[in-house]
Amino acid sequence: GAVVSQHPSWVICKSGTSVKIECRSLDFQATTMFWYRQFPKQSLMLMATSNEGSKATYEQGVEKDKFLINHASLTLSTLTVTSAHPEDSSFYICSARPGAAGGAGELFFGEGSRLTVL
Amino acid sequence: AQSVTQLDSQVPVFEEAPVELRCNYSSSVSVYLFWYVQYPNQGLQLLLKYLSGSTLVESINGFEAEFNKSQTSFHLRKPSVHISDTAEYFCAVTFSDTGNQFYFGTGTSLTVIP
Repeated sequence: GAVVSQHPSWVICKSGTSVKIECRSLDFQATTMFWYRQFPKQSLMLMATSNEGSKATYEQGVEKDKFLINHASLTLSTLTVTSAHPEDSSFYICSARPGAAGGAGELFFGEGSRLTVL
Repeated sequence: AQSVTQLDSQVPVFEEAPVELRCNYSSSVSVYLFWYVQYPNQGLQLLLKYLSGSTLVESINGFEAEFNKSQTSFHLRKPSVHISDTAEYFCAVTFSDTGNQFYFGTGTSLTVIP
């Protein structure tokens, strides 16, 4: 199946710094990627939909200035957590679907990135 | 409103026993259904999916799920579990009128006891 890769897998940073997480589709082009956040023992919460060449669409309650998303190419989307604070510590997962933006094909997920803010 | 419900947050089961993880959805339009598995500190991996055709779908590692339209369910079953099946399982649904949007259940933590 299609492969989605995230980097880094783990990151620890000091409060107030910014952290960038990359999401790459390795063997397909993705015009749309999705960023999720997962708290311990909880389900995935969709944060935003990343659209290649245009602005991301954020879910209600997600601060667009805090979580900057850039989708500069068909195989790369980045999530930057700006001025991170301990409450931003979480597991962040990206996903993408090969093919057209619509349709019912499954989502392929990255390995996830564990962010810990001290 | 469209939603996905996983009724059991935790399911402990003895090794080699059968298991069923329940998933129900609410929708007035056509649905596409998925089960994903997540191992600790990893992303989600697709286990199986129903898009159309036969309502019974199977995975390569012995899991199966049946789409039941009348009961709006897509329960996951395995006749004999292994220790390696211990993981978090998520039911996901996408609806024909929402395009990209996937809706995830809250997850079921399956623990296989030796």
